Amino acid sequence: GAVVSQHPSRVICKSGTSVKIECRSLDFQATTMFWYRQFPKKSLMLMATSNEGSKATYEQGVEKDKFLINHASLTLSTLTVTSAHPEDSSFYICSARDHTYEQYFGPGTRLTVT
Amino acid sequence: GENVEQHPSTLSVQEGDSAVIKCTYSDSASNYFPWYKQELGKRPQLIIDIRSNVGEKKDQRIAVTLNKTAKHFSLHITETQPEDSAVYFCAARQNSGYSTLTFGKGTMLLVSP
Repeated sequence: GAVVSQHPSRVICKSGTSVKIECRSLDFQATTMFWYRQFPKKSLMLMATSNEGSKATYEQGVEKDKFLINHASLTLSTLTVTSAHPEDSSFYICSARDHTYEQYFGPGTRLTVT
Repeated sequence: GENVEQHPSTLSVQEGDSAVIKCTYSDSASNYFPWYKQELGKRPQLIIDIRSNVGEKKDQRIAVTLNKTAKHFSLHITETQPEDSAVYFCAARQNSGYSTLTFGKGTMLLVSP
């Protein structure tokens, strides 16, 4: 079945530094990938929709200059959290959609900013 | 845009009992309704979905019902087991390339042995 990987699974960084998270669809091509943020015991909050080869579409309230998204190929999207602060600490989950529009989720990345 | 409401937020049942989680949606154009199970610290896993051309779908102990007129859909789990304990999310979406999933707030299901 369709598999989506995410790397790293956990990352701890210092305040002010940038962190890059990779999302890969391993056995299918994903023209669309999604990035979600999830706080403890909360639902998935869509941050942005990323289409291969074009600029990401950000949801209202999500700073595009802070959360840089690149979708350079049909199997890879990256999320870079720039100048991270403790309030950016969260669980970030990507999702990739195949040609049937079914979405498959990555395992998530736990970001802790100290 | 779409708005999905999910109830209850927590549900505790005894092993062997049935569990029902209900969701309502606002956009009548939505026609795809998946349910996801998420264990602590893990990714959401699709457990069942239903499209607007059917009213009910079953997969072993799990079933989903859809009422398009009332704009609500429900997840039914029968003969619950402790391993069913997790957070369950409903979602709704139009089945087109430009639409995104809108999630409910989730239901934490606790199945006691």
